[in-house]
Amino acid sequence: QKEVEQNSGPLSVPEGAIASLNCTYSDRVSQSFFWYRQYSGKSPELIMSIYSNGDKEDGRFTAQLNKASQYVSLLIRDSQPSDSATYLCAVGGNYGGSQGNLIFGKGTKLSVKP
Amino acid sequence: DTEVTQTPKHLVMGMTNKKSLKCEQHMGHRAMYWYKQKAKKPPELMFVYSYEKLSINESVPSRFSPECPNSSLLNLHLHALQPEDSALYLCASSLSLSETQYFGPGTRLLVL
Repeated sequence: QKEVEQNSGPLSVPEGAIASLNCTYSDRVSQSFFWYRQYSGKSPELIMSIYSNGDKEDGRFTAQLNKASQYVSLLIRDSQPSDSATYLCAVGGNYGGSQGNLIFGKGTKLSVKP
Repeated sequence: DTEVTQTPKHLVMGMTNKKSLKCEQHMGHRAMYWYKQKAKKPPELMFVYSYEKLSINESVPSRFSPECPNSSLLNLHLHALQPEDSALYLCASSLSLSETQYFGPGTRLLVL
């Protein structure tokens, strides 16, 4: 059974702080990793995708991937109240029958306090 | 343009009704997906189409019937649904399988 684990939170950070969201996955051969943001009542919105070990930065967001530890994280710098949402970690296979089958974590609810 | 559109936005139906959900993308994506999402839960994959052929069917009850008429369109036909089928139904698309999936706004379905 392939699993993706996230701390459900809520994670509360003050405005301007760094928010750190973590995710672990069980399938060692997973190839693609995604972070989605979902506001209440809305659909998931892609924040970052990462495929290789290391860091990937996009504006205030940095995704970090460590395949040896089966760990992926998302850092949000200078957190804003508008970042308050649920963050979904999703892990995908890249071969055979697993192609297209994204496994989602349960999501971490982030609250940024003004 | 990374837009996936879905209609209708909201749908209320009785257990004996037949209705359809529609999803459309014009990004040249060749993989399209249906997900079901209940409140405070992550999306659950229902169906995957790749090059207009059904690739994955995650043991979904037959009262849900997907259709991919062409590379831009994906339908989900609903018949004899149960109240527990009430959820947010999400469509997504990607350039190909294993590529980044982009979600539409969803259809919020209520079955009475």
